[in-house]
Amino acid sequence: LAKTTQPISMDSYEGQEVNITCSHNNIATNDYITWYQQFPSQGPRFIIQGYKTKVTNEVASLFIPADRKSSTLSLPRVSLSDTAVYYCLVGEANNNDMRFGAGTRLTVKP
Amino acid sequence: DGGITQSPKYLFRKEGQNVTLSCEQNLNHDAMYWYRQDPGQGLRLIYYSQIVNDFQKGDIAEGYSVSREKKESFPLTVTSAQKNPTAFYLCASSIDEGQGAREAFFGQGTRLTVV
Repeated sequence: LAKTTQPISMDSYEGQEVNITCSHNNIATNDYITWYQQFPSQGPRFIIQGYKTKVTNEVASLFIPADRKSSTLSLPRVSLSDTAVYYCLVGEANNNDMRFGAGTRLTVKP
Repeated sequence: DGGITQSPKYLFRKEGQNVTLSCEQNLNHDAMYWYRQDPGQGLRLIYYSQIVNDFQKGDIAEGYSVSREKKESFPLTVTSAQKNPTAFYLCASSIDEGQGAREAFFGQGTRLTVV
């Protein structure tokens, strides 16, 4: 499994766009990149997943450069309720092994 | 109403006792997982199962045991051999959605306190 590296914490203000970058230098050809969000005392929740280029859904965008050695989760116009821990995972399609790193603790301030 | 259910939400046990945490899913997912989370830390994988009657150790399996007799159920037993069992335990299940996409669904967790 490719190891991931994320910033430990980030601060932002309401209404700003937040970009969280994850490094995964050893990503394999068949690996997908997945991001989860976790609020205190709850289980993580799936946000977005991608393989290459750009993926967008109703809550976030995921940017993956051509070499796929990193990825950036973009949260548009964050609100106080986006304060959470965000995890980046890299895993192979047919491999159920799913390991989380320490995540990035995002704090959104008023 | 599909989902993954962990019970109980809070659990207290005396030191030296084994305790079993329940995890049930009706999502028809093949893969199930158990994680441990300590305050301010990320999730650490204890065990996972890809199919009935099969499971693999994660990073911190010592002091824990699991079984997967039914697709819907993946109970975790915290044994007396686990030195620091007090933690927040999360169960998850996942499914391959095709073309490599995989999404995991988590339960609400069980907070175990050993006194």
